[in-house]
Amino acid sequence: QSVLTQPPSASGTPGQRVSISCAGSSSNIGTNVVNWYQQLPGTAPKLLIYINDQRPSGVPDRFSGSKSGTSASLDISGLQSDDEADYYCAAWDDSLNGYVFGTGTKVSVL
Amino acid sequence: EVQLVQSGAEVKKPGESLKISCQISGYRFTSYWIAWVRQMPGKGLEWMGIIYPGDSDTRYSPSFEGQVTISADKSTNTAYLQWSSLKTSDTATYFCARRGDSNNWYWWFDPWGQGTLVTVSS
Repeated sequence: QSVLTQPPSASGTPGQRVSISCAGSSSNIGTNVVNWYQQLPGTAPKLLIYINDQRPSGVPDRFSGSKSGTSASLDISGLQSDDEADYYCAAWDDSLNGYVFGTGTKVSVL
Repeated sequence: EVQLVQSGAEVKKPGESLKISCQISGYRFTSYWIAWVRQMPGKGLEWMGIIYPGDSDTRYSPSFEGQVTISADKSTNTAYLQWSSLKTSDTATYFCARRGDSNNWYWWFDPWGQGTLVTVSS
């Protein structure tokens, strides 16, 4: 079972803004950086955000990340049909001495 | 270009052994940690463990310790994940991924291999 909790689903119409939360604890998000991964249907996960709010080259600035205390969030603005995917937060956990993923959020574009 | 290319899909019977691979190119294999991640059908991502090919330092998630073996071959720039006795519950897609931070200060994984589907069925 995951130690990072996300809502199972989120949705919006094209152009809208969607926000996904990620709740952790002092041993993971509270102490270490948060990353976000996007997994399009049938494909491997892709890094979307690293070190809380940094975007890799090629990731549109419609995607933004933030962290506060033991929680983090991913915002998707200007929602597009191509954004339909599963999104996972992740962080190193000092208590488990391992990397932990969130439960995942399925984003649908209505 | 950094690439992680995984071996093809496998169909095995319970009790059989298996070793799947992740061949890297485009960077110094011995300088970056490689992780293995499981995704069971219709489920989320689970971190299994990591290996540093430079010295073979290996760490496992408690959930996978003793269930699998992670290894690396510096001569072929390949990381491996193996089972000695598969169970039907090992049916999943397995991904390898490289630690993204070259300074080893922070943990994130990028890029990822394309995944290997392992099906265990009698």
